[in-house]
Amino acid sequence: AQKITQTQPGMFVQEKEAVTLDCTYDTSDQSYGLFWYKQPSSGEMIFLIYQGSYDEQNATEGRYSLNFQKARKSANLVISASQLGDSAMYFCAMREGTASGTYKYIFGTGTRLKVLA
Amino acid sequence: GAGVSQSPSNKVTEKGKDVELRCDPISGHTALYWYRQSLGQGLEFLIYFQGNSAPDKSGLPSDRFSAERTGGSVSTLTIQRTQQEDSAVYLCASSFNQWTVEQYFGPGTRLTVT
Repeated sequence: AQKITQTQPGMFVQEKEAVTLDCTYDTSDQSYGLFWYKQPSSGEMIFLIYQGSYDEQNATEGRYSLNFQKARKSANLVISASQLGDSAMYFCAMREGTASGTYKYIFGTGTRLKVLA
Repeated sequence: GAGVSQSPSNKVTEKGKDVELRCDPISGHTALYWYRQSLGQGLEFLIYFQGNSAPDKSGLPSDRFSAERTGGSVSTLTIQRTQQEDSAVYLCASSFNQWTVEQYFGPGTRLTVT
């Protein structure tokens, strides 16, 4: 079973509008973290936002917010006031602890966002 | 520059040859991560180091893959007897320590096995 599921392979949004990128996850851990990364066509991965499983407030970073619904195991990324520079691939990821006290990271397959002028 | 650097940026090798990929993390970052991104796919987590120690090597795809880090800085990922399925972009990232959430990624090494 997929641990991180991004069901939208591609999305379009009009410039200046908001867009939501979906992410659901699967874990039996109580303590975990959820991330979103942006990968422009240049290839470099850029950290956007993080949500810890015990955080009660949804994470926000500028125009990015993470809509964390723990019971539904979803961690959707909301980008407000989209800009042309937001066109990129977006990856949802999860950090889980392991029995040996280390971490492992699981990434989704990504959503390609295109912002239209 | 102050970012994560990787070398080479591109590597073409023949099937069966060994390759070494290098990652130079941000100065002062004690945690270093290796990922693999196959064409059109998400990232596959391979291994991470805290200092010179890799606490869990189970993410390495096979025993042909090994990684080391010396001096708490530069890391090398070695692939022995390369296969065509090893063709991918290998990304390295670093963070202040293993508990830090923000990882800084390098530009990657594109490996092509012919």
